[in-house]
Amino acid sequence: EPEVTQTPSHQVTQMGQEVILRCVPISNHLYFYWYRQILGQKVEFLVSFYNNEISEKSEIFDDQFSVERPDGSNFTLKIRSTKLEDSAMYFCASSARLDSPLHFGNGTRLTVT
Amino acid sequence: AQTVTQSQPEMSVQEAETVTLSCTYDTSESNYYLFWYKQPPSRQMILVIRQEAYKQQNATENRFSVNFQKAAKSFSLKISDSQLGDTAMYFCAFMKTFGTDKLIFGTGTRLQVFP
Repeated sequence: EPEVTQTPSHQVTQMGQEVILRCVPISNHLYFYWYRQILGQKVEFLVSFYNNEISEKSEIFDDQFSVERPDGSNFTLKIRSTKLEDSAMYFCASSARLDSPLHFGNGTRLTVT
Repeated sequence: AQTVTQSQPEMSVQEAETVTLSCTYDTSESNYYLFWYKQPPSRQMILVIRQEAYKQQNATENRFSVNFQKAAKSFSLKISDSQLGDTAMYFCAFMKTFGTDKLIFGTGTRLQVFP
């Protein structure tokens, strides 16, 4: 069964550094998402992306965050200047249609020191 | 705004027994979707079951079934014949049918299945 893949599985970075989290959605999917889960807390929506533009974003997704689909397969989340509170598990997800279930990747654990 | 509440932070069940996880939600929408996702220690978020609000019949997927009470805004998950591999965090989630594509998650219930 096709899967959403995320790399790396764990990223450690220093405060103030830029990080790029990478995702390869399922190939025929059109809708792409980033969610995050701070340790011990619930999964929170960050952003959705369709047709090469952001379709919705949460209040968490401020100017330090950006998303991009640089080619036909990758979907990236960039955090420009990381803060300690950005430490979390970041999940990428994709779906075929607006009303179809989301398929999640295994997540990238980001640790900001 | 929509909210999802899971009032059981932890549950445990013996192998082969049945367990029910609770979820309530708040919305003014009439059409929406509800989901249960499983997050095992491997961290992946796996879709367990999905329910469309306009369908009165409760969804079932093998050993997993839901009790959807629209008027009460309740969406519980029943796991029958529990297996050790069911040990995981279980998240209830809500999605409006139109106008947005974001999932709103509850805080999760950690289920431990013991032999």
